[in-house]
Amino acid sequence: NAGVTQTPKFQVLKTGQSMTLQCAQDMNHEYMSWYRQDPGMGLRLIHYSVGAGITDQGEVPNGYNVSRSTTEDFPLRLLSAAPSQTSVYFCASSYNEKLFFGSGTQLSVL
Amino acid sequence: GDSVTQMEGPVTLSEEACLTINCTYTATGYPSLFWYVQYPGEGLQLLLKATKADDKGSNKGFEATYRKETTSFHLEKGSVQVSDSAVYFCALSPMLYSSASKIIFGSGTRLSIRP
Repeated sequence: NAGVTQTPKFQVLKTGQSMTLQCAQDMNHEYMSWYRQDPGMGLRLIHYSVGAGITDQGEVPNGYNVSRSTTEDFPLRLLSAAPSQTSVYFCASSYNEKLFFGSGTQLSVL
Repeated sequence: GDSVTQMEGPVTLSEEACLTINCTYTATGYPSLFWYVQYPGEGLQLLLKATKADDKGSNKGFEATYRKETTSFHLEKGSVQVSDSAVYFCALSPMLYSSASKIIFGSGTRLSIRP
Protein backbone atom coordinates (compact mmCIF):
# COMPACT_ATOMS: atom_id res chain seq x y z
CA ASN A 1 0.00 0.00 0.00
CA ALA A 2 1.80 3.16 -1.22
CA GLY A 3 -0.20 5.72 0.81
CA VAL A 4 0.83 9.28 -0.09
CA THR A 5 3.59 9.60 -2.68
CA GLN A 6 5.47 12.84 -3.31
CA THR A 7 7.96 13.66 -6.04
CA PRO A 8 10.65 14.86 -6.30
CA LYS A 9 12.40 14.33 -2.95
CA PHE A 10 14.89 17.13 -3.58
CA GLN A 11 14.83 20.14 -5.88
CA VAL A 12 17.02 23.19 -6.41
CA LEU A 13 15.57 26.15 -8.31
CA LYS A 14 16.80 29.55 -9.32
CA THR A 15 14.77 32.60 -8.39
CA GLY A 16 11.97 33.11 -10.91
CA GLN A 17 11.80 29.51 -12.11
CA SER A 18 8.55 27.58 -11.95
CA MET A 19 7.94 24.00 -10.99
CA THR A 20 5.28 21.55 -9.86
CA LEU A 21 5.49 19.32 -6.82
CA GLN A 22 3.57 16.13 -7.41
CA CYS A 23 1.39 14.36 -4.85
CA ALA A 24 -0.69 11.22 -5.26
CA GLN A 25 -2.61 9.06 -2.81
CA ASP A 26 -4.17 5.65 -3.26
CA MET A 27 -6.47 5.60 -0.21
CA ASN A 28 -9.43 7.27 -1.93
CA HIS A 29 -9.39 10.11 0.61
CA GLU A 30 -11.43 13.15 -0.33
CA TYR A 31 -9.31 15.57 1.70
CA MET A 32 -5.78 16.47 0.63
CA SER A 33 -3.48 19.27 1.67
CA TRP A 34 -0.06 20.86 1.31
CA TYR A 35 2.09 22.06 4.20
CA ARG A 36 5.44 23.71 4.46
CA GLN A 37 7.78 23.00 7.34
CA ASP A 38 10.25 25.65 8.43
CA PRO A 39 12.62 25.50 11.41
CA GLY A 40 10.94 26.55 14.65
CA MET A 41 7.59 27.13 12.95
CA GLY A 42 6.03 23.71 12.78
CA LEU A 43 3.78 22.98 9.82
CA ARG A 44 1.84 25.69 8.06
CA LEU A 45 -1.06 24.91 5.73
CA ILE A 46 -0.63 26.24 2.17
CA HIS A 47 -3.70 24.95 0.30
CA TYR A 48 -6.18 22.18 0.75
CA SER A 49 -8.90 20.35 -1.12
CA VAL A 50 -12.04 18.61 0.13
CA GLY A 51 -12.65 16.78 -3.12
CA ALA A 52 -12.06 16.79 -6.87
CA GLY A 53 -12.67 20.24 -8.31
CA ILE A 54 -12.65 21.97 -4.90
CA THR A 55 -9.65 23.80 -3.44
CA ASP A 56 -9.18 26.48 -0.82
CA GLN A 57 -6.43 28.57 0.72
CA GLY A 58 -4.71 27.78 3.96
CA GLU A 59 -2.55 29.95 6.17
CA VAL A 60 0.25 30.75 3.69
CA PRO A 61 -1.11 30.49 0.10
CA ASN A 62 0.76 33.33 -1.60
CA GLY A 63 3.07 32.22 -4.41
CA TYR A 64 1.45 28.80 -4.76
CA ASN A 65 -1.31 27.39 -6.94
CA VAL A 66 -3.15 24.09 -6.72
CA SER A 67 -5.75 22.16 -8.68
CA ARG A 68 -7.59 18.91 -8.03
CA SER A 69 -8.82 17.23 -11.19
CA THR A 70 -8.93 13.72 -9.69
CA THR A 71 -9.34 12.27 -6.20
CA GLU A 72 -5.83 10.79 -6.39
CA ASP A 73 -3.70 13.76 -7.42
CA PHE A 74 -3.08 17.17 -5.85
CA PRO A 75 -0.11 18.99 -7.44
CA LEU A 76 1.38 22.17 -5.99
CA ARG A 77 2.70 24.77 -8.42
CA LEU A 78 5.27 27.46 -7.75
CA LEU A 79 4.80 30.02 -10.50
CA SER A 80 7.90 32.15 -9.85
CA ALA A 81 10.11 30.74 -7.13
CA ALA A 82 11.53 33.03 -4.46
CA PRO A 83 14.20 32.36 -1.80
CA SER A 84 11.48 32.67 0.86
CA GLN A 85 9.97 29.48 -0.55
CA THR A 86 13.01 27.44 0.49
CA SER A 87 11.43 24.87 2.78
CA VAL A 88 10.37 21.27 3.16
CA TYR A 89 6.98 20.59 1.62
CA PHE A 90 4.62 17.87 2.75
CA CYS A 91 1.50 16.60 1.08
CA ALA A 92 -1.12 14.88 3.20
CA SER A 93 -4.48 13.22 2.88
CA SER A 94 -6.96 12.85 5.71
CA TYR A 95 -9.68 10.56 7.00
CA ASN A 96 -11.48 10.99 10.33
CA GLU A 97 -9.15 13.75 11.54
CA LYS A 98 -6.11 11.55 10.94
CA LEU A 99 -3.53 12.98 8.54
CA PHE A 100 -1.42 10.70 6.34
CA PHE A 101 1.75 12.40 5.15
CA GLY A 102 4.08 11.88 2.23
CA SER A 103 7.83 11.76 2.82
CA GLY A 104 8.38 15.36 1.78
CA THR A 105 10.15 17.46 -0.85
CA GLN A 106 13.17 19.51 0.19
CA LEU A 107 13.19 22.63 -1.99
CA SER A 108 15.99 25.18 -2.19
CA VAL A 109 15.54 28.42 -4.11
CA LEU A 110 18.79 30.23 -4.88
CA GLY B 1 -7.45 32.01 18.22
CA ASP B 2 -6.63 28.39 18.88
CA SER B 3 -2.95 27.56 19.37
CA VAL B 4 -0.50 24.91 20.54
CA THR B 5 2.67 25.54 22.52
CA GLN B 6 5.23 22.83 23.07
CA MET B 7 8.60 22.80 24.76
CA GLU B 8 11.54 23.82 22.66
CA GLY B 9 14.21 21.33 21.86
CA PRO B 10 16.44 19.75 21.26
CA VAL B 11 15.98 17.27 24.06
CA THR B 12 18.84 14.83 24.55
CA LEU B 13 18.48 11.81 26.81
CA SER B 14 20.30 8.59 27.50
CA GLU B 15 18.72 5.29 26.56
CA GLU B 16 16.22 4.02 29.19
CA ALA B 17 15.67 7.51 30.61
CA CYS B 18 12.18 8.85 31.28
CA LEU B 19 10.73 11.29 28.78
CA THR B 20 8.26 14.14 29.11
CA ILE B 21 7.60 16.59 26.30
CA ASN B 22 5.29 19.37 27.42
CA CYS B 23 2.38 20.58 25.32
CA THR B 24 -0.26 23.13 26.25
CA TYR B 25 -3.09 24.43 24.14
CA THR B 26 -5.53 27.28 23.81
CA ALA B 27 -8.91 26.51 22.32
CA THR B 28 -12.38 27.98 22.60
CA GLY B 29 -14.27 24.73 22.14
CA TYR B 30 -13.61 21.07 22.91
CA PRO B 31 -10.66 20.11 20.75
CA SER B 32 -9.23 16.74 19.85
CA LEU B 33 -5.53 16.47 20.66
CA PHE B 34 -2.78 14.60 18.83
CA TRP B 35 0.88 13.74 18.90
CA TYR B 36 2.58 13.19 15.57
CA VAL B 37 6.13 11.86 15.14
CA GLN B 38 8.55 12.55 12.30
CA TYR B 39 11.45 10.12 11.91
CA PRO B 40 14.52 11.29 9.97
CA GLY B 41 13.81 11.65 6.25
CA GLU B 42 10.14 10.78 6.59
CA GLY B 43 6.78 12.52 6.79
CA LEU B 44 4.81 12.89 9.98
CA GLN B 45 2.76 9.98 11.26
CA LEU B 46 0.13 9.89 13.94
CA LEU B 47 1.47 8.58 17.23
CA LEU B 48 -1.58 8.92 19.46
CA LYS B 49 -4.73 10.95 19.99
CA ALA B 50 -7.36 11.83 22.58
CA THR B 51 -10.76 13.27 21.84
CA LYS B 52 -12.15 14.32 25.22
CA ALA B 53 -11.09 15.36 28.70
CA ASP B 54 -9.33 12.69 30.80
CA ASP B 55 -8.85 10.42 27.76
CA LYS B 56 -5.43 8.80 27.59
CA GLY B 57 -3.90 8.11 24.21
CA SER B 58 -1.17 5.48 24.00
CA ASN B 59 1.01 3.82 21.39
CA LYS B 60 4.51 2.29 21.20
CA GLY B 61 5.02 2.88 24.95
CA PHE B 62 4.14 6.57 24.69
CA GLU B 63 1.21 8.04 26.60
CA ALA B 64 -0.52 11.40 26.82
CA THR B 65 -3.53 12.40 28.93
CA TYR B 66 -5.98 15.11 27.89
CA ARG B 67 -6.06 17.49 30.88
CA LYS B 68 -8.76 20.10 30.42
CA GLU B 69 -8.12 21.77 33.78
CA THR B 70 -4.52 22.54 32.85
CA THR B 71 -5.10 22.66 29.05
CA SER B 72 -2.23 20.21 28.59
CA PHE B 73 -1.41 17.06 26.65
CA HIS B 74 2.12 16.13 27.72
CA LEU B 75 3.84 13.21 25.98
CA GLU B 76 5.48 10.66 28.29
CA LYS B 77 7.47 7.47 28.00
CA GLY B 78 8.98 5.53 30.84
CA SER B 79 12.07 4.19 29.08
CA VAL B 80 13.22 5.65 25.77
CA GLN B 81 15.19 3.84 23.08
CA VAL B 82 17.59 5.06 20.43
CA SER B 83 14.87 4.34 17.85
CA ASP B 84 12.67 7.00 19.50
CA SER B 85 14.97 9.72 18.16
CA ALA B 86 12.68 11.91 16.06
CA VAL B 87 10.80 15.20 16.00
CA TYR B 88 7.52 15.20 17.93
CA PHE B 89 4.62 17.52 17.12
CA CYS B 90 1.66 18.29 19.33
CA ALA B 91 -1.49 19.25 17.43
CA LEU B 92 -5.14 20.07 17.98
CA SER B 93 -8.31 19.90 15.97
CA PRO B 94 -10.82 22.49 17.20
CA MET B 95 -13.68 20.05 17.61
CA LEU B 96 -14.49 16.41 16.97
CA TYR B 97 -14.75 15.70 13.26
CA SER B 98 -13.48 19.13 12.25
CA SER B 99 -12.04 19.37 8.78
CA ALA B 100 -8.36 18.50 8.74
CA SER B 101 -7.77 22.01 7.40
CA LYS B 102 -8.38 23.26 10.93
CA ILE B 103 -5.65 21.14 12.56
CA ILE B 104 -3.07 23.35 14.27
CA PHE B 105 0.47 22.10 14.87
CA GLY B 106 3.01 23.08 17.47
CA SER B 107 6.54 23.95 16.39
CA GLY B 108 7.94 20.48 17.10
CA THR B 109 10.45 19.12 19.64
CA ARG B 110 13.53 17.28 18.44
CA LEU B 111 14.43 14.31 20.64
CA SER B 112 17.83 12.61 20.47
CA ILE B 113 18.57 9.47 22.46
CA ARG B 114 22.18 8.51 23.24
CA PRO B 115 23.05 4.78 23.39
